[in-house]
Amino acid sequence: GAVVSQHPSRVICKSGTSVKIECRSLDFQATTMFWYRQFPKQSLMLMATSNEGSKATYEQGVEKDKFLINHASLTLSTLTVTSAHPEDSSFYICSANMGAETQYFGPGTRLLVL
Amino acid sequence: GEDVEQSLFLSVREGDSSVINCTYTDSSSTYLYWYKQEPGAGLQLLTYIFSNMDMKQDQRLTVLLNKKDKHLSLRIADTQTGDSAIYFCAEIFRNDMRFGAGTRLTVKP
Repeated sequence: GAVVSQHPSRVICKSGTSVKIECRSLDFQATTMFWYRQFPKQSLMLMATSNEGSKATYEQGVEKDKFLINHASLTLSTLTVTSAHPEDSSFYICSANMGAETQYFGPGTRLLVL
Repeated sequence: GEDVEQSLFLSVREGDSSVINCTYTDSSSTYLYWYKQEPGAGLQLLTYIFSNMDMKQDQRLTVLLNKKDKHLSLRIADTQTGDSAIYFCAEIFRNDMRFGAGTRLTVKP
């Protein structure tokens, strides 16, 4: 089946630094990728829709200047958490669309901001 | 079982009720969720139920939980064509979410 990878799988950083998370579709091209966030023991929440070659569409309440998304190619989308703070600590998951309806999820990146 | 299980397809007529069923895995799951995925869009949280509840109603949506059987259902009253989508149930399994494969709901006019 289709595979989506994320890198890194786990990152610890100091408050005020920026962290980049990569999401790659390994064996298919994805014009659309999605970024989700999950707090511990809480639900997955859609943050933004990443479209190749255009600006990302952010969900209400998600700061676009805080969470920078770049979808530079059909197999790579990046999420940069800028000036990270402890409240940004979370589990970030990407997914990639194969076709209109089939979505494949990455394994997630656990971010801890100290 | 070890997987969150859902039937893959459901077809109803507009105006009828839809019932989407799910069997989850962990009897200690505290929250159970229903997500909706429309074509080309990301998953959107539709509703959720806390494990100490048997039922939750939210407008046209009714969630029923049977903890003994680890069975969760989502009933959509007066189903509309705009309800056509894929519906995923999910549980919190330890610290991570575990999803079913999704039920594709088709609403015929």
